[in-house]
Amino acid sequence: DVKVTQSSRYLVKRTGEKVFLECVQDMDHENMFWYRQDPGLGLRLIYFSYDVKMKEKGDIPEGYSVSREKKERFSLILESASTNQTSMYLCATLGTATNTGELFFGEGSRLTVL
Amino acid sequence: QKEVEQNSGPLSVPEGAIASLNCTYSDRGSQSFFWYRQYSGKSPELIMSIYSNGDKEDGRFTAQLNKASQYVSLLIRDSQPSDSATYLCAENTGGFKTIFGAGTRLFVKA
Repeated sequence: DVKVTQSSRYLVKRTGEKVFLECVQDMDHENMFWYRQDPGLGLRLIYFSYDVKMKEKGDIPEGYSVSREKKERFSLILESASTNQTSMYLCATLGTATNTGELFFGEGSRLTVL
Repeated sequence: QKEVEQNSGPLSVPEGAIASLNCTYSDRGSQSFFWYRQYSGKSPELIMSIYSNGDKEDGRFTAQLNKASQYVSLLIRDSQPSDSATYLCAENTGGFKTIFGAGTRLFVKA
């Protein structure tokens, strides 16, 4: 089974703090994604990466950056957290070889910015 | 802006009934469609995928796709309380981006 692990399930940070959310997968999937999920808005794509050191902006990249130094690890960075970044953050992977389009999600990181 | 629209619900059905969940999408180029189930406090998990017009059945679940009407649905037969969750409709146009609807909350009453 694909295992996608997010380092922190719950975080509480203060406005202006730098926040790192880490995601690690063990299935050698090329593609990794960061979504945020808010009530009534569904999942919105922040950034994705289709290869090591490659990244592409999603629909709502403002205020975020990402890092993919190794194939199995994809990090989301909030340089200066703001209250409107309080949300559930979901990491997902997609395997190109199977070509089914199925996304595998981590358990999520619920971030509260005070 | 590509969109996937779902009724947010909640949809309430009695145990044993058929639950019908609906979704429309705006991009005629969409090729792949998915239904994810998300229990409260958990992450989404794929339950059905459909790529061509018509019906696809898997156990108690049937996905229906009508590309001409840009409409996708999910039927859950013999609904169980354990089916109570939020169901997310999603579509992919063949690239890396999957677009999700906001989800429909389903309650199955015992």
